[in-house]
Amino acid sequence: AQSVAQPEDQVNVAEGNPLTVKCTYSVSGNPYLFWYVQYPNRGLQFLLKYITGDNLVKGSYGFEAEFNKSQTSFHLKKPSALVSDSALYFCAVRDSSNDYKLSFGAGTTVTVRA
Amino acid sequence: GAGVSQSPSNKVTEKGKDVELRCDPISGHTALYWYRQSLGQGLEFLIYFQGNSAPDKSGLPSDRFSAERTGGSVSTLTIQRTQQEDSAVYLCASSLFVAGGRGELFFGEGSRLTVL
Repeated sequence: AQSVAQPEDQVNVAEGNPLTVKCTYSVSGNPYLFWYVQYPNRGLQFLLKYITGDNLVKGSYGFEAEFNKSQTSFHLKKPSALVSDSALYFCAVRDSSNDYKLSFGAGTTVTVRA
Repeated sequence: GAGVSQSPSNKVTEKGKDVELRCDPISGHTALYWYRQSLGQGLEFLIYFQGNSAPDKSGLPSDRFSAERTGGSVSTLTIQRTQQEDSAVYLCASSLFVAGGRGELFFGEGSRLTVL
């Protein structure tokens, strides 16, 4: 079985401040982890993924995420948030034992105030 | 086209009517997914197609839901006798099939269904 939790429904930060969006996962095998962003009335856009290797993954728009196996977490971070980062963010996980099914969290709404 | 294309973008229907939602995946992508996004909830897996293999229909919520993929490309999701609880955004995604599940999904912009 595989699942992912995003413990915060909403995150509010001021522009220029660091942004963190939390994600924890549960899998029986090894995790493949993904972050997606959804802007209003749009589909999901891929940000970054962790498959193997370096625990710190860098992605689009200055975002990065750190894989922590002991804490089963994959938090999304950005050192300096922009107003344009305001969107809905989804964490997703796929257990290495399956080839295709991706399970998503409920999403975290990020609001960056000017 | 360059991305995943879905139509219609918006559909309003009356309870009890049938609806068809269409997805045109990225050219060359053999894997195709349908997800449902309800207000305030995450994405719910509905169905998965990969090449000529039998689809994984395990996420379809009832027998009113069905999907097909013709010629390994375009897919249609059909909802019969729609109910108000079917109101949601239906998202289609495609990907290259990468052994071991390492590939990311590319999503369309969704079809918003409203059942009155």
